[in-house]
Amino acid sequence: KQEVTQIPAALSVPEGENLVLNCSFTDSAIYNLQWFRQDPGKGLTSLLLIQSSQREQTSGRLNASLDKSSGRSTLYIAASQPGDSATYLCAVYGSGNTGKLIFGQGTTLQVKP
Amino acid sequence: DVKVTQSSRYLVKRTGEKVFLECVQDMDHENMFWYRQDPGLGLRLIYFSYDVKMKEKGDIPEGYSVSREKKERFSLILESASTNQTSMYLCASSRGRGGAPFETQYFGPGTRLLVL
Repeated sequence: KQEVTQIPAALSVPEGENLVLNCSFTDSAIYNLQWFRQDPGKGLTSLLLIQSSQREQTSGRLNASLDKSSGRSTLYIAASQPGDSATYLCAVYGSGNTGKLIFGQGTTLQVKP
Repeated sequence: DVKVTQSSRYLVKRTGEKVFLECVQDMDHENMFWYRQDPGLGLRLIYFSYDVKMKEKGDIPEGYSVSREKKERFSLILESASTNQTSMYLCASSRGRGGAPFETQYFGPGTRLLVL
């Protein structure tokens, strides 16, 4: 059974720092991995989707990498800003797992001005 | 831009009431999903649908049912609400026909349900 783990559960950094959020999954047979952002009391916003054949995806100050063989993904946020404060969730589509995203518990990020 | 809307942001209901949560998407997506989100448990899939009048159980379907009479609308029904169904409910949709569900899922703003 696929399990997705995100460490740390919470992170607080000063504005301007570069930071890395970690995601690990137990079954490397995945179709893709997604990173989402969730603001308090709101829905999820998709940030990046990495197909299993890809190593990384970039969007602005965000860069997500995928190492399928080791079951790991990282989300790199450059030059963090207070507006980046939110919960970041990773999720995987596993093979044979049609339509079912398996989510991690999330990392809650606070960027202090 | 994809827009997924949910009928209510906040709901307060009594134990035993029948509760309807509505979700509408405007991008002609084939796939729609209902999740609940609880502290410490993360997001869990309740039901999903690949097509009109089609539904599949997720990981925690007990106590819930769904209806998809039209492609753009997916309803979650709590037949007899209980206090353990107090939660944040999130609807999502994605493009792609059944069997190609690996597209990005787009989420609605969520409905926070309190059952007293």
